[in-house]
Order: sequence, then C-alpha cells, then structure tokens
Amino acid sequence: SAVISQKPSRDICQRGTSLTIQCQVDSQVTMMFWYRQQPGQSLTLIATANQGSEATYESGFVIDKFPISRPNLTFSTLTVSNMSPEDSSIYLCSGYSYGYTFGSGTRLTVV
Amino acid sequence: AQSVTQPDIHITVSEGASLELRCNYSYGATPYLFWYVQSPGQGLQLLLKYFSGDTLVQGIKGFEAEFKRSQSSFNLRKPSVHWSDAAEYFCAVGGADGLTFGKGTHLIIQP
Repeated sequence: SAVISQKPSRDICQRGTSLTIQCQVDSQVTMMFWYRQQPGQSLTLIATANQGSEATYESGFVIDKFPISRPNLTFSTLTVSNMSPEDSSIYLCSGYSYGYTFGSGTRLTVV
Repeated sequence: AQSVTQPDIHITVSEGASLELRCNYSYGATPYLFWYVQSPGQGLQLLLKYFSGDTLVQGIKGFEAEFKRSQSSFNLRKPSVHWSDAAEYFCAVGGADGLTFGKGTHLIIQP
C-alpha cells in the first residue's frame, strides 16, 4: 500500500497566522482527504482534495479557512488560515487507492 | 448519511483476557469497514479492513473482526490482550468518498 509522508509533524503557531501542511504519497492515489482530530476526539473529514480543481468541503468547513491544493496525484497541501486556539488539533491526510493510508499527522498548537 | 457508533468510551481488561470492542454502523450501500488503533502521540495504524467476501477478517497483532450485515455490526476481537494493546481504537465506515469514524474506545489493560 501507499506510504504518505506528512510534514511538519508538529508546530506551535501564533494566533492570526497561517500554517501549510504538506502530504507526499510515494505512488499515485485516486483520492486524497484531509481530517481533523481535536483533542480527545475522533477524526472528522474536512475535505476531499481533488486534482486540478477546487476541493470538496464537508459541512462546517470552508475554503477561506482551510484552502487545499492538489496539483497532481501524489501531492496535496492543507493551509490552516488565520489561526485561533480552537484550531489546535491533529491534522491528517489520507490517500485512497484500493484502501486507505494515513499520514502520521501534524500536531498543531495555536497560542 | 453514514454514521458509526462505538458504544463503549472506555473498556478495562486484564492482561491475558479476551477482548471485544463493539462497532455499529449506518451506511447506504455495501460498506467498507475498518478498525484503526492510535497509541498516545502516534498516528493511525490500520488493524484490519472488510471490503467483501469472508465476513470474518483477520488483522495484525492477533486481532480479528466479524461483519454481521443483519446487525450492522463490525466488532473487533482478540483472544488474549497484551499490555501493549492499551490504546485508542477507532471503527470507521466509508467508500471511495472518505471515511466516517466512530468516537473511539479507550482500552485500558490491567496487570
């Protein structure tokens, strides 16, 4: 199965700033997804990253806050914009190709 | 809309005892079902998955799960737990359009 490299693994950011998280897959995957895991909670799907077009966002998530790019079948980025302490979470990317693979996650703390 | 219910938030089991973690799902089509484990500060690790075929699925680390369509369940079992099994366990359902996760079951192992 595919292997996903996600970076950064963790970061501490000031409120009002933005952070871009990158995911690189070692093989082409059909779909890529971004999830959020708030402290002590389960994973929630943020959006589906579509190659060459705008991402598809789940209810409660908007492009202005979480812009996503997917320029090709092996790479995607998620930006967390204008951050507040409520954005402190683990963010995970996932690739789907006959099964799901997850990156190791980015642990974001906003202070 | 798809959903996953893990009715047990915490489960405590003695080392060497058997384990069953419950998972019920709601999904409009034939589901893809997954169990993931997350150790503290770690990413998600896939234990096993069900796509089709034999309803008893074998996974890593001695885990197995049984798909019961009539009960909309996909319970995870292990005949004898080890202290290293202490972690958070997530059941998930979905297809190629992303996964919906349950809230997780926190497994505590007593010596």
